[in-house]
Formats: sequence, C-alpha cells, structure tokens
Amino acid sequence: EAGVTQFPSHSVIEKGQTVTLRCDPISGHDNLYWYRRVMGKEIKFLLHFVKESKQDESGMPNNRFLAERTGGTYSTLKVQPAELEDSGVYFCASSQGGLRTGELFFGEGSRLTVL
Amino acid sequence: AQSVSQHNHHVILSEAASLELGCNYSYGGTVNLFWYVQYPGQHLQLLLKYFSGDPLVKGIKGFEAEFIKSKFSFNLRKPSVQWSDTAEYFCGGGYQKVTFGTGTKLQVIP
Repeated sequence: EAGVTQFPSHSVIEKGQTVTLRCDPISGHDNLYWYRRVMGKEIKFLLHFVKESKQDESGMPNNRFLAERTGGTYSTLKVQPAELEDSGVYFCASSQGGLRTGELFFGEGSRLTVL
Repeated sequence: AQSVSQHNHHVILSEAASLELGCNYSYGGTVNLFWYVQYPGQHLQLLLKYFSGDPLVKGIKGFEAEFIKSKFSFNLRKPSVQWSDTAEYFCGGGYQKVTFGTGTKLQVIP
C-alpha cells in the first residue's frame, strides 16, 4: 500500500514568490492534516481536513497560506507571497478515522527554503 | 490551550544504556497521547499510543511509555538502547488533532 506522498521534497524560492505544496494521502483516508516544523522547534499544527471540508484551520499563520482539498483526495498548500519566516519543513499526515480510532501516517515532508 | 513539552533536546547514550525521555502535557478532559519517531532520512512513524486503560503502554522495538495522570506525564522508556535507535523522538497529544513537543534527538554511540 502506498504511503502518504508529498511534492516537492525540497523547494527553494525567493521572498515574494509563490509555492504550492502537494500531499497525496493514503487512499481511503478521510482525514488529512498539515503541519510545519521550523528548524529546532515543535511540529506545529496548521489545519485538518475531513474529506474536502476544513475541520480546523486554527493553526494557519495568516492569509498568505491557502489550503485546499478539492474532491476529498489530494491536498495543496499554497504560500503567496512567501516570506523568510515561512521556511521550514511542511508535513502532511492522513488517518482513516479520527485520532481515537487510528494513528497519523506522515509523509516525508516538503522542505521550503525562502531566500 | 493544549501544549506538550519535552525536557531533553539532545541525549547521547552508549549502547545498552537505559533510556527515559520526558514528556509533559497540559490538557483538560480526554487525552490521547502518542510517541512518534523519525529515523534519519525517513518519515515520522508511530512508536506507541495511549487512549485509555492500562497506563503502561508497550510499543514497537521494545519501547514503552507510562501515563501518569497526577504528573501530567507520558515518559518514553527503553531498558537497553541500540545504535539503530538513533533518531528524533516526538511526544504528542490531543483529541481532534495532535499537538507535538519540540522533539528529542537521541544519539546512541556504539
């Protein structure tokens, strides 16, 4: 069974540019989560989808970040325009049910470097 | 607000030494607790989880953790570490979403 896949694995962009990160969850997983880790700090929750609906987006830093999950399958996270502080590793995770029924399966992350 | 704190940022042990990594959480109500591990070059994977019942939880690769409600702790333990346990360990907790700590890098010296 394929795991959670993320694209790209590494992106280097200049301040002010746009980047779109993609996450393909495990097939059949309704729950999809985005997390971010800035170097040396905690893995911080960004948002949670249940199918195509945003269940919780309390962790999104500001309106420069836009997450979508059209059709309830893959998800994209767009940063526009990117700022220096957006650098970090963006993790995607999926689960079949909620946390009480299963675990989070993580992708390998997309490393974003903003110069 | 829910939070998770890990006390040790970097731990260095010799093979066969015993391991204990600290984790404290702050929550009200129902709590689900997790330990995840990230081996070099790999994705985060679940070591063990606690939802309810027996507070001593056993996970993969000989790891265990004990939920102590009175201390708000969920420390990770292993009696004898191996070089292959070199990795970064993350404690997490939550009900609808997982809040993680800052992680502990474990280096095991052969």
